[in-house]
Order: sequence, then C-alpha cells, then structure tokens
Amino acid sequence: DAGVIQSPRHEVTEMGQEVTLRCKPISGHDYLFWYRQTMMRGLELLIYFNNNVPIDDSGMPEDRFSAKMPNASFSTLKIQPSEPRDSAVYFCASSRDRRPSNTEAFFGQGTRLTVV
Amino acid sequence: KQEVTQIPAALSVPEGENLVLNCSFTDSAIYNLQWFRQDPGKGLTSLLLIQSSQREQTSGRLNASLDKSSGRSTLYIAASQPGDSATYLCAPSYSSASKIIFGSGTRLSIRP
Repeated sequence: DAGVIQSPRHEVTEMGQEVTLRCKPISGHDYLFWYRQTMMRGLELLIYFNNNVPIDDSGMPEDRFSAKMPNASFSTLKIQPSEPRDSAVYFCASSRDRRPSNTEAFFGQGTRLTVV
Repeated sequence: KQEVTQIPAALSVPEGENLVLNCSFTDSAIYNLQWFRQDPGKGLTSLLLIQSSQREQTSGRLNASLDKSSGRSTLYIAASQPGDSATYLCAPSYSSASKIIFGSGTRLSIRP
C-alpha cells in the first residue's frame, strides 16, 4: 500500500477563497483523522470518522471548516472562506479498528496551506 | 480535559549518549499509546505502539514503557546518533472512540 495520500502537498490561496484538501486513507482502515499543526498550538485533532461516519468534530475551529467522507477511500476538508490564520500544515491519518485495542495510526505527508 | 505533556521540550546531547524522553497524560483510560517521530517539514512516522495491557515495547535502539495507572510513558533511546535528531511526539489513544491526542513534542538534537 502507498500509505495515506494527501493532496495537494502545498496550497497558496488568497483570503476569502475556498480551499479543499484531499485524503486517501490506507485501504482497509476504518478510522480517518484530520489534524492541523501550527507552531503555536502543535497538533490539534479537528475531526475523525469511523466507517465514513463523523464521530467527533469538536475540534473543528469554526463553521468555515467542514469535512466529508463520501466513501471508504476518500475524504475532504474544506475551508470556506479561508483566512490568514488558517495557515498551517494539515495532516490526514488512518488506522484500523481491532477492538479492544486499536492498531497504530499512519499519517500522510501533510498539506501546507498558506492563506495570504 | 485530556491533556498530554512532554518533558523536556528540547534536548541536546552528544552522540552516543543514552537518553529518556518523558510523557504524561491526564486521562488514564487509554487504548494504546504511540510514539512518533517528525523531521522538520515532514509528516509523522510511527516508532512504537504500546497497547494498554502492555508495559513496554522495543524496536531496535528504542524502548517505550507505559505506566497506565500513573499516566506516564517514557521513550528510551540507546546509543544516540545524529540521525536521531527530530521531534518526538507522544500520542495516547482514548477508549471513548479511538481519539488520538498529541503532546507538544520533545525536539531532540544529537551533536556529532
């Protein structure tokens, strides 16, 4: 498997524009996570899905942020409208559910977003 | 609130030394705990995964221990090398629904 694949790797956009980040999890994984990383706040969990269903979106900062997982192999994180303070690296991760103990999470390479 | 603290925030040691990175977490109801490595400008690489029923896990020069009752984990790196220089992140996963929370990391620098 090629691992978790994120696109684009880099995105520069103007304030007010819509931004869509994409993620393809590892095949067979049940969980998908979206994180945001900044120097000030470190890695923050934004939202995660189990079997394509959003479980916890309490980390989504504002209504401008939305995430979808239409099928087991694809997820998007959308910011509309974007603001300069959204500039960060956004990571997607996936893991397999093997209760009672879960397996390790694998991360994509991230999308570096710059909003000017 | 579930919080993860890593100490020290930064560490610089000469090559060859053995060292210990510390992690503490406020909520002990974890499923497992992972240690990750992150190189500058890169993604996260999983180093070790310890299940909540385990006390330690080893991979090469790395050994991670877990004391769930006291909410602590340590990552031991033996015979450090310059290539070990990176940020190391502790990440417990919570039983409420596989929620993974990250510490702020320890930035490690190994001097040749």
